[in-house]
Amino acid sequence: AQSVSQHNHHVILSEAASLELGCNYSYGGTVNLFWYVQYPGQHLQLLLKYFSGDPLVKGIKGFEAEFIKSKFSFNLRKPSVQWSDTAEYFCAVNANLPGLGRGSTLGRLYFGRGTQLTVWP
Amino acid sequence: KAGVTQTPRYLIKTRGQQVTLSCSPISGHRSVSWYQQTPGQGLQFLFEYFSETQRNKGNFPGRFSGRQFSNSRSEMNVSTLELGDSALYLCASSLQGSRGNEQFFGPGTRLTVL
Repeated sequence: AQSVSQHNHHVILSEAASLELGCNYSYGGTVNLFWYVQYPGQHLQLLLKYFSGDPLVKGIKGFEAEFIKSKFSFNLRKPSVQWSDTAEYFCAVNANLPGLGRGSTLGRLYFGRGTQLTVWP
Repeated sequence: KAGVTQTPRYLIKTRGQQVTLSCSPISGHRSVSWYQQTPGQGLQFLFEYFSETQRNKGNFPGRFSGRQFSNSRSEMNVSTLELGDSALYLCASSLQGSRGNEQFFGPGTRLTVL
């Protein structure tokens, strides 16, 4: 079944530690990839996105992600986390599902289950 | 530019009742998508509207319905509420809803069914 997998449910780090959150998807065809963040009490915000071109994308607040097509992965990284990065992180995919025709999944994001990141000061 | 707004922010209903949630997209955005967020199931797609037409639908029962108005504002309705409908309902808007258009999310409506 098509899905988006985030490998870590909860990650706990100390400030200044490096972060890598895994995301794998199982959709074929052309995909667009996103990482969203949900800070406590706030709404989902876009961290970064990949549509095409350079597979290494940079987002806000020092985050970056690398699209590896052969591994169906889009891992999120940050070299040095801060206490303010404590939040829930969601990987999302927008894809044209093969066989369903153009536009079959327009406006639809498939989300991973999320990773709760806790950063200790 | 104002963001996506959702009303009401909180709702408490009892089983069997119905509820209507409202979403105002960012000005100029024509696509509105709805998602249900629960601790157990995560974020699940409900449906998407574009130019007043439902263009995409997730795997939810017919009790969940929606519509979009000519000004792109959208409403979703849940009839015959069940305990399991308790969730955060998120609305997202994008310019055209085409693949690759970034979706901007609202703060959500927290629905509690007693």
